Amino acid sequence: DVVMTQSPLSLPVTLGQPASISCRSSQSLVHSDGNTYLNWFQQRPGQSPRRLIYKVSNRDSGVPDRFSGSGSGTDFTLKISRVEAEDVGVYYCMQATHWPRTFGQGTKVEIK
Amino acid sequence: QVQLVQSGAEVKKPGASVKVSCKASGYTFTGFYMHWVRQAPGQGLEWMGLINPDSGGTNYAQKFLGRVTITSDTSISTVYMELRTLISDDTAVYYCARTGNLDFWGQGTLVTVSS
Repeated sequence: DVVMTQSPLSLPVTLGQPASISCRSSQSLVHSDGNTYLNWFQQRPGQSPRRLIYKVSNRDSGVPDRFSGSGSGTDFTLKISRVEAEDVGVYYCMQATHWPRTFGQGTKVEIK
Repeated sequence: QVQLVQSGAEVKKPGASVKVSCKASGYTFTGFYMHWVRQAPGQGLEWMGLINPDSGGTNYAQKFLGRVTITSDTSISTVYMELRTLISDDTAVYYCARTGNLDFWGQGTLVTVSS
């Protein structure tokens, strides 16, 4: 199975400051069709996960533009340009290139 | 708008089975795969398997092979996930989620396994 490793696992951030989460995969996530199926999800306390970013860098409808995704191959990053109170929660990366689908361990974002 | 509405919480004894449903609306049901993901208390997300509602074809994580069955009923736009021979470690919230990139999620169904 492809192992997804996120860092850090805990991220205390000051309101208005940037935040960055790393996600590394044990194998390249480039699919034979040329796409890279790396997605990011946000899970607020008590809620279902919500997709923020698909295929590395595409923001979902309704997702604030302070969220951005980047990376290639095995190394990916989710950035929040200016953290707001509503961004508190756990963030997961997930690969959908290989079987079985696998998630990172999650990064808990909290306000300092 | 896309909605995935799951069945209510369940309490089961070890060794029993549970069947969770996920009713889809707001899109062409047979046009999108449906996945199941679970989350144990305080833990991360774990992919279980998927179904192609159009063909009925399935793909399961190795960990759950032989213990899980995902089915669909196109007449009522509903997908089911049955997990058998439950143990306490199966206590979790079970989610359905649409398509390979999991664009929409259900509200989750808490399954508690306890004697």
